[in-house]
Amino acid sequence: KNEVEQSPQNLTAQEGEFITINCSYSVGISALHWLQQHPGGGIVSLFMLSSGKKKHGRLIATINIQEKHSSLHITASHPRDSAVYICATNTNAGKSTFGDGTTLTVKP
Amino acid sequence: SQTIHQWPATLVQPVGSPLSLECTVEGTSNPNLYWYRQAAGRGLQLLFYSVGIGQISSEVPQNLSASRPQDRQFILSSKKLLLSDSGFYLCAWTASGPYGYTFGSGTRLTVV
Repeated sequence: KNEVEQSPQNLTAQEGEFITINCSYSVGISALHWLQQHPGGGIVSLFMLSSGKKKHGRLIATINIQEKHSSLHITASHPRDSAVYICATNTNAGKSTFGDGTTLTVKP
Repeated sequence: SQTIHQWPATLVQPVGSPLSLECTVEGTSNPNLYWYRQAAGRGLQLLFYSVGIGQISSEVPQNLSASRPQDRQFILSSKKLLLSDSGFYLCAWTASGPYGYTFGSGTRLTVV
């Protein structure tokens, strides 16, 4: 069982819809990351969270440390948002654990 | 500014041949370094991570090894490749503390 669980595994949305991707983890962490992987394989770091909420453009990431849960929201989704979104956790010892990813497809 | 270099971009190797993938980071010191593998259609799998020179932690027993001969150099190796070693290999770094990941561009390895 992966220590980091993401849901849903696959998500299809219409352009303009509000999207939420969830991530739950089972151990204490020092930070949680949201990553975006495009079809070519390149990975971009979207957010690093240790508490609270961060916003960048149409993307919002939140984390609840007590509940060991994080969400990634995309407002006014666009076809160019289509990608795999990955949740990853870090411990103070440097170990990282990745979720299996959520494949998002936004249709025009 | 910090950059990460990973090469080669693609590699086709016969079964039983050796492997050496190199990753270097510029513009920072004492980074945490990571090697990941992604099999086709699968999620990222952490292979090795290092918090300092000569310090390597292995997450998955396998046919691969890693070394960190210098502070900003991380090498992934194999003495004899297996077909199951095929995949997309990614190197990444973070600064010590609560900082985000920066990934290399990846190496697509096909073992034939």
